[in-house]
Amino acid sequence: KQEVTQIPAALSVPEGENLVLNCSFTDSAIYNLQWFRQDPGKGLTSLLLIQSSQREQTSGRLNASLDKSSGRSTLYIAASQPGDSATYLCAWYSSASKIIFGSGTRLSIRP
Amino acid sequence: KAGVTQTPRYLIKTRGQQVTLSCSPISGHRSVSWYQQTPGQGLQFLFEYFSETQRNKGNFPGRFSGRQFSNSRSEMNVSTLELGDSALYLCASSLVPQGTNEKLFFGSGTQLSVL
Repeated sequence: KQEVTQIPAALSVPEGENLVLNCSFTDSAIYNLQWFRQDPGKGLTSLLLIQSSQREQTSGRLNASLDKSSGRSTLYIAASQPGDSATYLCAWYSSASKIIFGSGTRLSIRP
Repeated sequence: KAGVTQTPRYLIKTRGQQVTLSCSPISGHRSVSWYQQTPGQGLQFLFEYFSETQRNKGNFPGRFSGRQFSNSRSEMNVSTLELGDSALYLCASSLVPQGTNEKLFFGSGTQLSVL
């Protein structure tokens, strides 16, 4: 069964810290991987998309990496702010032509 | 530029009824996909439509169906509602089909409660 695992499930850190969220997937034959954030009761906002031929993508304080050989992706958030508090989900588009989401990491940044 | 619009925002139905949800994609986007989000199962893919044709379907029973119109707007229908169908239903749009390295843009969802 194709799965996506996100660790940790929840994380609470003080403002200003750098942090890493992890995502692992079971099939190395991916087409792309996306990181999303979801605020309570809302839809998802795409943060970064990494194509299968790429190793990383950067946007502002966010950096996402992809290692297909190990089946892992990481989202690095620099200098965290209270506005970063949200649930972060990764999703990969698999060789079976379906998008599969992880269960998410609930992030809380303490002022 | 308007985002993805989903209507209604909230819906309450009883078991056995049917429901239709609507999704208007971003102007120019031709791919619309639907997802079910529950606390227990997380976010799961229902189906994707591109140019009025269903491209992919997730592992959901036949009670879940959808369609896409020539203006790219999409509807999702659930017949014979069950308690377990209570969920946040999200739709997303993109310029081209999934898997072609285009970001997905999500609506705010329809919160369906089945009593």
